Amino acid sequence: IAGITQAPTSQILAAGRRMTLRCTQDMRHNAMYWYRQDLGLGLRLIHYSNTAGTTGKGEVPDGYSVSRANTDDFPLTLASAVPSQTSVYFCASSDSIGREAFFGQGTRLTVV
Amino acid sequence: EDQVTQSPEALRLQEGESSSLNCSYTVSGLRGLFWYRQDPGKGPEFLFTLYSAGEEKEKERLKATLTKKESFLHITAPKPEDSATYLCAVQAGRDDKIIFGKGTRLHILP
Repeated sequence: IAGITQAPTSQILAAGRRMTLRCTQDMRHNAMYWYRQDLGLGLRLIHYSNTAGTTGKGEVPDGYSVSRANTDDFPLTLASAVPSQTSVYFCASSDSIGREAFFGQGTRLTVV
Repeated sequence: EDQVTQSPEALRLQEGESSSLNCSYTVSGLRGLFWYRQDPGKGPEFLFTLYSAGEEKEKERLKATLTKKESFLHITAPKPEDSATYLCAVQAGRDDKIIFGKGTRLHILP
C-alpha cells in the first residue's frame, strides 16, 4: 500500500537519551516534512526538505536534526531528549513544496 | 505576523444540520490554502486546495470556498461519520512556509 510509514508508533524515552524517528515514503515525492502536534498549539513545522540532499528549518527546529540522503527516507533525530519534546510527531510528503501533503500515522513520544 | 485562525474551536451539530467552519488568515502573498480532516489517533488527510479568491471545491457533503481574507468549509446535511477535526493551512511568503490553524473539532450527533 502506497503511503508514508513512521516508526515507532509510540515510545517512552528517558530524558537525555538520543532518539531517531523514522519516516519512509514510497510515492517518490520530492518534498518531506516533520511536524509536531500539541494540544492547543496545533501542527508546527520542525524541519522540511524540498528534495533529496537539502533540508531547511521550520518554526520549531531547536533540539531536532534531520537528514535526507535519498528520496524515500527522512529521519528525525532528537540528540538529547527533554520533557518538552513530549508530543505526537507526524511525517508528511508532497510532490513539491506547496502541493497537498500526505501524512503518516504519527509517532507518540513521551520523554520522562 | 502571519496568522491562521480557525473558528469555532468546537462545534456540535445534529445529523442533517448544515453549518460552516471558518478559516481566516493574515499572510503576505498567499500561494495556496489547504483543508485537511484528522480523525483521532491518525494523521491529517487531505481534502482540498484553493489557490485564488472566488475558487470553490466540492467533495460529497463538503464544499470549500475562498475569499481574500478567509475560507469556509461548508458541511451540508452532515452524518456522524463526518465527525473529525478539520484543519486549515496556508502556504505563503517568499519561502513558501506552511502555517496550520489549530483546527475545529466537529461532532455530529445521530
